[in-house]
Amino acid sequence: DVKVTQSSRYLVKRTGEKVFLECVQDMDHENMFWYRQDPGLGLRLIYFSYDVKMKEKGDIPEGYSVSREKKERFSLILESASTNQTSMYLCASTWGGYGYTFGSGTRLTVV
Amino acid sequence: AQSVTQLDSQVPVFEEAPVELRCNYSSSVSVYLFWYVQYPNQGLQLLLKYLSGSTLVKGINGFEAEFNKSQTSFHLRKPSVHISDTAEYFCAVSALNQAGTALIFGKGTTLSVSS
Repeated sequence: DVKVTQSSRYLVKRTGEKVFLECVQDMDHENMFWYRQDPGLGLRLIYFSYDVKMKEKGDIPEGYSVSREKKERFSLILESASTNQTSMYLCASTWGGYGYTFGSGTRLTVV
Repeated sequence: AQSVTQLDSQVPVFEEAPVELRCNYSSSVSVYLFWYVQYPNQGLQLLLKYLSGSTLVKGINGFEAEFNKSQTSFHLRKPSVHISDTAEYFCAVSALNQAGTALIFGKGTTLSVSS
């Protein structure tokens, strides 16, 4: 069974900390994505990557960066966490856009 | 760029009634269309998708959706809902045959089924 695995299910961090959210897929997919989900706002695209070391900004990239050093791993980085980044973060991957596989999500709380 | 509008943020219905959740999209290129469901405290689950072919798409749990290119719509329907269908539903679109294509979501529709 194909999988997208997010390293943490729940995470609590302090304001100003540098936070790393990790995502690993085992499907050899070219494209990987980071979304955040907030009530009433749906899922909003933060960043995506269509190849190793390639990245593109999504709709809400401010305050975030990403890293993709290997095809299977896509990391989301909060350079200096703030309380307005408290959210559910979802990673996804696809090949060709025919179907997307999502991780279970990381619920991040910044205090 | 693509965008998705889910026309109703909340839809309350009684058990065994029919339901339609409305979704319109905007795109300058051809698209793939998806409906996802998220039950309380659970992850996203794919209900159905339209890639090509027949415009009427059948999915899991008795749901179906119809792709209407002229109206740029992809409405989700179920003829008789159950209490267990209470969940949040997301419509999403991705651009056809574009490298790095991202899935763009609507803001969601909360379906509340009561007895």
